[in-house]
Amino acid sequence: KAGVTQTPRYLIKTRGQQVTLSCSPISGHRSVSWYQQTPGQGLQFLFEYFSETQRNKGNFPGRFSGRQFSNSRSEMNVSTLELGDSALYLCASSLAGQIQETQYFGPGTRLLVL
Amino acid sequence: QKEVEQNSGPLSVPEGAIASLNCTYSDRGSQSFFWYRQYSGKSPELIMFIYSNGDKEDGRFTAQLNKASQYVSLLIRDSQPSDSATYLCAVVPSNDYKLSFGAGTTVTVRA
Repeated sequence: KAGVTQTPRYLIKTRGQQVTLSCSPISGHRSVSWYQQTPGQGLQFLFEYFSETQRNKGNFPGRFSGRQFSNSRSEMNVSTLELGDSALYLCASSLAGQIQETQYFGPGTRLLVL
Repeated sequence: QKEVEQNSGPLSVPEGAIASLNCTYSDRGSQSFFWYRQYSGKSPELIMFIYSNGDKEDGRFTAQLNKASQYVSLLIRDSQPSDSATYLCAVVPSNDYKLSFGAGTTVTVRA
């Protein structure tokens, strides 16, 4: 089975711009979670989608949003980019988003905001 | 108080030794516990998961869980240079499907 894929892998933007990142989960997986990883804050949960519905959201401003499509692919959008949004953005998928399920991570999208 | 705390690194061990990594969590109702390994510039990859109190062994790795003490650990036996990485403890809080991560412990295995 193919793993979780994310596009693009690298991105450079300037402050004030917006960006859209894409994630395709493992085939058959319906839950997609997004995380932000920075050297200072570590790995932090952004949100989780299941069956096109956002079920859980982390403590991030409204500039961070996402959605999930009927084929379980997910996108996240960051509007009005700030320098502090520079990070590795990781998505992870699991079968049904149950508490005792493993989440498998994609390779990540590295975003640099100048 | 942070949700998940790991012993601060870096941890340097000689090849063939045992590396011991510790993690404590604040939510007593947490049910699922994971150890991920992350090589520099790569994404986290799952090493082990544990749900019940006690030990769970998988090859050279052993996870230990003590819910009463809110403590989970990872032992790496016969450490190899390829084990050099950052190890992340992740916990699923009660009734909340998300992973809360510790800051990670960087392990270096000296040849």
